[in-house]
Amino acid sequence: KNQVEQSPQSLIILEGKNCTLQCNYTVSPFSNLRWYKQDTGRGPVSLTIMTFSENTKSNGRYTATLDADTKQSSLHITASQLSDSASYICVVSANTGRRALTFGSGTRLQVQP
Amino acid sequence: GAGVSQSPSNKVTEKGKDVELRCDPISGHTALYWYRQSLGQGLEFLIYFQGNSAPDKSGLPSDRFSAERTGGSVSTLTIQRTQQEDSAVYLCASSLAYTNRPDTQYFGPGTRLTVL
Repeated sequence: KNQVEQSPQSLIILEGKNCTLQCNYTVSPFSNLRWYKQDTGRGPVSLTIMTFSENTKSNGRYTATLDADTKQSSLHITASQLSDSASYICVVSANTGRRALTFGSGTRLQVQP
Repeated sequence: GAGVSQSPSNKVTEKGKDVELRCDPISGHTALYWYRQSLGQGLEFLIYFQGNSAPDKSGLPSDRFSAERTGGSVSTLTIQRTQQEDSAVYLCASSLAYTNRPDTQYFGPGTRLTVL
């Protein structure tokens, strides 16, 4: 069964600090992995998309890594800001069709002043 | 340009009633998705529309759920005889459907459905 596990479930950090969120998946055959940011009461917003051949991708202060061999990904947030407070969702697509997306339950990040 | 919009933003209904949720995708986006997000859960795929192709309905949880997309643009998700377990946030997303690379899905703000 295709699964996406994220850790930690929740995280509190001080403004200006860095943090790393983890995503482990069992989706196969792997097509791509996406990280989304979801503010409370809003729809998810895409941060990065990585295919099998990509092992790192950055979007401003967000850097995602992918290890397709160990089926792990991480999202590193540098110099956190209060506006980074949100849920971060890892989504893995299987190479079996466009609908085949498996969503993680997300990591709830709270950045405190 | 405008993003994906959904209406209503909140809907409270009584068990057994029918509800209709609306999604206006980004203009020009040929792909449209409906998802459901229950409290504390990950997103659950419901249905996918791509151009004029037959929709992929494999995620619909029961025959009480249906969706249509008129003119390749606006979509309506209908839930008949609502049950309390239908309470969730219903999210719509649209994208440009590439054939050789993954597409970025743009999500709407969602409709929070509460069935009493």
